[in-house]
Amino acid sequence: NAGVTQTPKFRILKIGQSMTLQCAQDMNHNYMYWYRQDPGMGLKLIYYSVGAGITDKGEVPNGYNVSRSTTEDFPLRLELAAPSQTSVYFCASSYARAGAGNTIYFGEGSWLTVV
Amino acid sequence: GESVGLHLPTLSVQEGDNSIINCAYSNSASDYFIWYKQESGKGPQFIIDIRSNMDKRQGQRVTVLLNKTVKHLSLQIAATQPGDSAVYFCAETTTGNQFYFGTGTSLTVIP
Repeated sequence: NAGVTQTPKFRILKIGQSMTLQCAQDMNHNYMYWYRQDPGMGLKLIYYSVGAGITDKGEVPNGYNVSRSTTEDFPLRLELAAPSQTSVYFCASSYARAGAGNTIYFGEGSWLTVV
Repeated sequence: GESVGLHLPTLSVQEGDNSIINCAYSNSASDYFIWYKQESGKGPQFIIDIRSNMDKRQGQRVTVLLNKTVKHLSLQIAATQPGDSAVYFCAETTTGNQFYFGTGTSLTVIP
């Protein structure tokens, strides 16, 4: 069972560079999410999508962009990397809107360092 | 904004003992709660969930207790094993809204 798959696992970026974190899920989930996890902090929602072609901002969207062209894929783009974007990024998915029975399932994470 | 916090950032227990991890939340309208386990270098894994119309739910070696009066959630792990060493955090939501996650408690099991 693949679940939620993220690539790359680790990446070092220079300030100002751009990159895309890839995320794919094979559970036919409608909802997909990107979170970042900083040391000593809870997961913060960056962007989410309720279905193909629909995306919306979360708590901390600045500096990021997303797209959802298919149900399976939800890439996260960093256009001009900044040191403040050094973090661990988690992609997640759920079948329906958050609530009873609709658990969020997470990928293994992508460790990003901006120097 | 939401506030989901934990009483203790670290917890060490002897192998075989029971573990209790606590979580406080601030939104009295929250109606669904999840406990996640996160091992080093990995993504959060679902452990157990509970709806607000329940005060207790049991799984395999784990029990979640919900006290809505004091907005408190706990995770009990029976007969803690070395493989239980991880960061545990709670998440809460009001149906239809986003999840809010706690910062986590680091559990260390001493062999």
